[in-house]
Amino acid sequence: DADVTQTPRNRITKTGKRIMLECSQTKGHDRMYWYRQDPGLGLRLIYYSFDVKDINKGEISDGYSVSRQAQAKFSLSLESAIPNQTALYFCATSDRDRNNEQFFGPGTRLTVL
Amino acid sequence: GENVEQHPSTLSVQEGDSAVIKCTYSDSASNYFPWYKQELGKRPQLIIDIRSNVGEKKDQRIAVTLNKTAKHFSLHITETQPEDSAVYFCAASNYDYKLSFGAGTTVTVRA
Repeated sequence: DADVTQTPRNRITKTGKRIMLECSQTKGHDRMYWYRQDPGLGLRLIYYSFDVKDINKGEISDGYSVSRQAQAKFSLSLESAIPNQTALYFCATSDRDRNNEQFFGPGTRLTVL
Repeated sequence: GENVEQHPSTLSVQEGDSAVIKCTYSDSASNYFPWYKQELGKRPQLIIDIRSNVGEKKDQRIAVTLNKTAKHFSLHITETQPEDSAVYFCAASNYDYKLSFGAGTTVTVRA
C-alpha cells in the first residue's frame, strides 16, 4: 500500500544534541509537511515543501530546519535540541490534483531531556 | 495568518446521542475546511471535508455545515458509537494549501 512512513518512531535525546527525523512516502505526492502536536495546541505547521526545490517556513520554524532530498523524502532537523521541543512530530503529504487532503505518517515521539 | 478556534475542548456523550463540534476561522479567503479524526496512538485521518461553495455535506452518520458569512463550520455526529471516541480536529486553508488546525476536541462516547 502506498503510505507515509517516519523514522524513528520514538527518540529520547539530551539537550544540545542534533536530531534528524525522516519522512518517506510512496504516494507519489509532490507536497510534504512537518507538524508538531502538543496537548491542547493541536497540530502546528513547522515547514512545508511543494516540490524538491521549494522550502517554506510554517508558523513555528525557529529551532528547526528541513531538507527535501527527493520528491519522496523530507527530513526535519533539530540542530540543538531543547526540552520544549519535546512533542509528537507528524509528517504529511498531499497531491496538488486532489484538493488539499493531507495524509499523515504514524508520528515520531521525541523527548528532549 | 489564519486562526482557527475549536470548541468544546472535551465532549462526553451517551452512546446513541449526537455530538456537535464547532470551529471559527479568521481569514475570509479560506475555502477548504476538513475534519480529521485521531484515535489514541494513531495518526490523524480525514473523515469529511467541505468547500466554500457548499453549505452542507453528509456522509452516513457524519455531517459538516459551513456558514461563510459568520466564518464558522461545525461537525455533527449522529447516533454515536464507542468507536467514535477520539480527538477531532477542524482545519481551514485557502489557495496556499496550508492547513491551520484547531486545538482539537476529545470526544468520549459513554456506553
